[in-house]
Amino acid sequence: DQQVKQNSPSLSVQEGRISILNCDYTNSMFDYFLWYKKYPAEGPTFLISISSIKDKNEDGRFTVFLNKSAKHLSLHIVPSQPGDSAVYFCAAEPLSGSARQLTFGSGTQLTVLP
Amino acid sequence: DAGITQSPRYKITETGRQVTLMCHQTWSHSYMFWYRQDLGHGLRLIYYSAAADITDKGEVPDGYVVSRSKTENFPLTLESATRSQTSVYFCASSESIGDNSPLHFGNGTRLTVT
Repeated sequence: DQQVKQNSPSLSVQEGRISILNCDYTNSMFDYFLWYKKYPAEGPTFLISISSIKDKNEDGRFTVFLNKSAKHLSLHIVPSQPGDSAVYFCAAEPLSGSARQLTFGSGTQLTVLP
Repeated sequence: DAGITQSPRYKITETGRQVTLMCHQTWSHSYMFWYRQDLGHGLRLIYYSAAADITDKGEVPDGYVVSRSKTENFPLTLESATRSQTSVYFCASSESIGDNSPLHFGNGTRLTVT
């Protein structure tokens, strides 16, 4: 039973266009959400995050949107660049308590075509 | 070098053997984690540690043992390796919990159990 789902295993986008990566979650206790980017043979690197008190967070070309009522978040990359080609993981966790357990989605392979 | 390092990068072992994967971080982060990455499952938490001598199970702990005698080290041991433990293992650390403390990952260990 996956609590964080990325239903699109892959996405191809032309350079300069917008990339939209989607993520759905089922656990209503989640209140902190992150996106990680992963290149082959490397570990995931943190990209951007959002807490549940916000519905949007922006960092340069990257914007994350959170729709709590729909339990849905999305990552927008504008404009997309060939160097953005990577696997993108969304992750979520509750912030209560002293434990820290991030739950990850299965990832979306983004390919930006030159 | 500052950061989080894992060793070895690649390991081949036989069924039934004991194998230890090493993880070392130089930030003095309190939290450390072990994840495994498998196709279709994303990253799944094996064990985590909130501080030296404090460890707890994650989503998939069976067949694994961890220890944290020093803040900077968090080794993961497979006591009797099985083929189902063939995977890519990632160690991560974070300074604390909260929405300004993302996980930082190592570059992974690819383990093959024959």
